[in-house]
Amino acid sequence: QKEVEQDPGPLSVPEGAIVSLNCTYSNSAFQYFMWYRQYSRKGPELLMYTYSSGNKEDGRFTAQVDKSSKYISLFIRDSQPSDSATYLCAALGNAGNNRKLIWGLGTSLAVNP
Amino acid sequence: DTAVSQTPKYLVTQMGNDKSIKCEQNLGHDTMYWYKQDSKKFLKIMFSYNNKELIINETVPNRFSPKSPDKAHLNLHINSLELGDSAVYFCASSPPGQGNPDTQYFGPGTRLTVL
Repeated sequence: QKEVEQDPGPLSVPEGAIVSLNCTYSNSAFQYFMWYRQYSRKGPELLMYTYSSGNKEDGRFTAQVDKSSKYISLFIRDSQPSDSATYLCAALGNAGNNRKLIWGLGTSLAVNP
Repeated sequence: DTAVSQTPKYLVTQMGNDKSIKCEQNLGHDTMYWYKQDSKKFLKIMFSYNNKELIINETVPNRFSPKSPDKAHLNLHINSLELGDSAVYFCASSPPGQGNPDTQYFGPGTRLTVL
């Protein structure tokens, strides 16, 4: 079992839809949870991160972590064609061997005008 | 004013050749990484250097050898290239982790094709 699991999709939604992207993880030592966005033929870029459990909002994007169920979510409201990209979740522990980003496979999202 | 740059952007070569990819960051970061992203988009860490010292060395064939001449540069040399080495190689860097996660800044990638 991979330490971070993510459904690769692809996911296709109409413009304006609410998008829900999800990951699960297995290592209880993970404390930081990130979402990176990768446009085609570009490097990933950090969208946002959360520490431990809870929500974090940034504009149309909300990241959510539920440590009890080891579930990570990214919600995109009022999705735009410019949101079409691959979204990668990643998790990180605090120390030692856990101080290394573990990546999900990435979910490919297409937002259709 | 590119933050993390890689050269070349594209590399097409024959099996058995030796090639190098260069990476430079002008962000003043201490830590640099090499990742391999295969055709299924899975991002796999290969190496990480902190202040020129190797800190992460994943299970990578020893045909791959990283070299960090200074903390702003991390190069990747690949000997005896194989078909399975075809992928996109990303360099990344991150600032010192002061209680916050090491936000990684990625380069544009080098698309390696081995024929």
